[in-house]
Amino acid sequence: EDKVVQSPLSLVVHEGDTVTLNCSYEVTNFRSLLWYKQEKKAPTFLFMLTSSGIEKKSGRLSSILDKKELFSILNITATQTGDSAVYLCAVLQGAQKLVFGQGTRLTINP
Amino acid sequence: DSGVTQTPKHLITATGQRVTLRCSPRSGDLSVYWYQQSLDQGLQFLIQYYNGEERAKGNILERFSAQQFPDLHSELNLSSLELGDSALYFCASSDWTGWGDTQYFGPGTRLTVL
Repeated sequence: EDKVVQSPLSLVVHEGDTVTLNCSYEVTNFRSLLWYKQEKKAPTFLFMLTSSGIEKKSGRLSSILDKKELFSILNITATQTGDSAVYLCAVLQGAQKLVFGQGTRLTINP
Repeated sequence: DSGVTQTPKHLITATGQRVTLRCSPRSGDLSVYWYQQSLDQGLQFLIQYYNGEERAKGNILERFSAQQFPDLHSELNLSSLELGDSALYFCASSDWTGWGDTQYFGPGTRLTVL
């Protein structure tokens, strides 16, 4: 059965800390891995990773994929209260459906 | 704002009823996806349409159906509603060149079945 597992499920840190969110997967017909941020409603796109070992960066966020070990990490440095959200990892399967993990609920305290 | 629109934002109905959720994809996107998000199941893929044709099916119940119209908007029909159908329903779109394009999500419709 296809599955995407995220850890931790919940994380509480102080503003300014650096966090690492993990995502491991076992999905047939892997195409790419995507990270989304979900605050109140719609997941908003962060990164799409297709190639192993190539880091994607956007400001304080970065992500990398390891296709051999079947995992990805999302790093957030110098966290801010606005980073509080649920972070979703998803694997694009066969260029069609996204298989989502359970999400990591990140809370940043001032 | 992703460019994907969904209506209505909220829907409250009774068990046994039928509802229709509507989605307009981003301009230029030919592919529409429907997902269900419930507290216990997380985000689950329901169905994909590409340029009017069904392309992939996930864990969609037989009571649910969808279609994509010539103007590319899509509708998800949910019938014989049960309490367990209460969830957030998201539509996403991509231009799906066949190599896994990013899916952009709409704001969702929150369905409450009483």
